[in-house]
Amino acid sequence: GAGVSQSPSNKVTEKGKDVELRCDPISGHTALYWYRQSLGQGLEFLIYFQGNSAPDKSGLPSDRFSAERTGGSVSTLTIQRTQQEDSAVYLCASSLEQGYNSPLHFGNGTRLTVT
Amino acid sequence: GDSVTQMEGPVTLSEEAFLTINCTYTATGYPSLFWYVQYPGEGLQLLLKATKADDKGSNKGFEATYRKETTSFHLEKGSVQVSDSAVYFCALLWASNTGKLIFGQGTTLQVKP
Repeated sequence: GAGVSQSPSNKVTEKGKDVELRCDPISGHTALYWYRQSLGQGLEFLIYFQGNSAPDKSGLPSDRFSAERTGGSVSTLTIQRTQQEDSAVYLCASSLEQGYNSPLHFGNGTRLTVT
Repeated sequence: GDSVTQMEGPVTLSEEAFLTINCTYTATGYPSLFWYVQYPGEGLQLLLKATKADDKGSNKGFEATYRKETTSFHLEKGSVQVSDSAVYFCALLWASNTGKLIFGQGTTLQVKP
């Protein structure tokens, strides 16, 4: 079956512009996560959704970052007024339910480059 | 706060060599531990996991044992193949009510024929 789909796969934007990154989780997966992978860094947690609610937004680096999820399915991560330090690979993952018995399934990511 | 530390890469080995990638963690209590792998051009995928002390996770010839006394979860494989070349991430899950994983920085493995 289809895995986690992210679009676009690559995005180049000018500093100061807004960008939207999309994630289509695996059908039926209730939990959805956004992570950021910067060069030389590990995976940095950004936000977690259970259904359409975001009980944990603790990883969002600033108020320029926001995310929403609709219909318990598609999620959009929005970065406003992008900065060069926002350049990274943004990864989305979903799982059937929350907890350690439900492994995370990752998409291939969106590579964001801010010039 | 909770954290995961992995050995720095890249690790370069010849085919059929023995592999160890070190991973240690800091957490209050006893988290579940995971290894994820990212093959070139692909998304991260779960390699193996262990949910309590002394558990051994294994998959595709890889093994890791949850060592509470040393707070470690080192990844091992007896004989690596070129196809094992990838980036390996150690991770912990403490707050099981959210499923939020905390990852290490990743270790790149290059296996040469």
